[in-house]
Amino acid sequence: AQKITQTQPGMFVQEKEAVTLDCTYDTSDQSYGLFWYKQPSSGEMIFLIYQGSYDEQNATEGRYSLNFQKARKSANLVISASQLGDSAMYFCAMRDNYGQNFVFGPGTRLSVLP
Amino acid sequence: ETGVTQTPRHLVMGMTNKKSLKCEQHLGHNAMYWYKQSAKKPLELMFVYNFKEQTENNSVPSRFSPECPNSSHLFLHLHTLQPEDSALYLCASSQSPTVGGSETQYFGPGTRLLVL
Repeated sequence: AQKITQTQPGMFVQEKEAVTLDCTYDTSDQSYGLFWYKQPSSGEMIFLIYQGSYDEQNATEGRYSLNFQKARKSANLVISASQLGDSAMYFCAMRDNYGQNFVFGPGTRLSVLP
Repeated sequence: ETGVTQTPRHLVMGMTNKKSLKCEQHLGHNAMYWYKQSAKKPLELMFVYNFKEQTENNSVPSRFSPECPNSSHLFLHLHTLQPEDSALYLCASSQSPTVGGSETQYFGPGTRLLVL
């Protein structure tokens, strides 16, 4: 069975600094997808970034980048130049090889300090 | 409207009530999903529909009954719920999943349900 682990229940970062949110995963599939979502207090899950298991380059989307280390089964999210609006819950998720089942981690609550 | 919409945004119901949650997607997707998010628990996938056909039912109690009349609309019918069913119910949609594909799920704002 697939599993996502996020070991940081809460993180604090100073505005304009970079922060890394950890994610490790467990799967026996060779092909899978890794996703990061942001959930503000309003509740909506906002897609941030995607990394495929066969992608050789780390994914980047604006201020978000994914530090993918396949051998270590980790997919950490790096947010550069943090903004106050980045304060939210962040979820790492994995989609299985057959494409239908998403497994989410427990999330990390990020608080950006002014 | 764009994206994925859900109504109502908030719902309070008694254990003997019958209510329905509605989800509509305007993204041209063919797959739709229901998730349950309880406090201090990871997001749980409940149901998956692909081209209007249910393809996943993750051991969800029968008091939750999904309906997908077309690829743009998804309902979750609720009856005789329990207080522990109080949660945020999120709907999502995506292009039809393919093996090894990169289809991303896009979520609606959710319905906050309180069962008294």
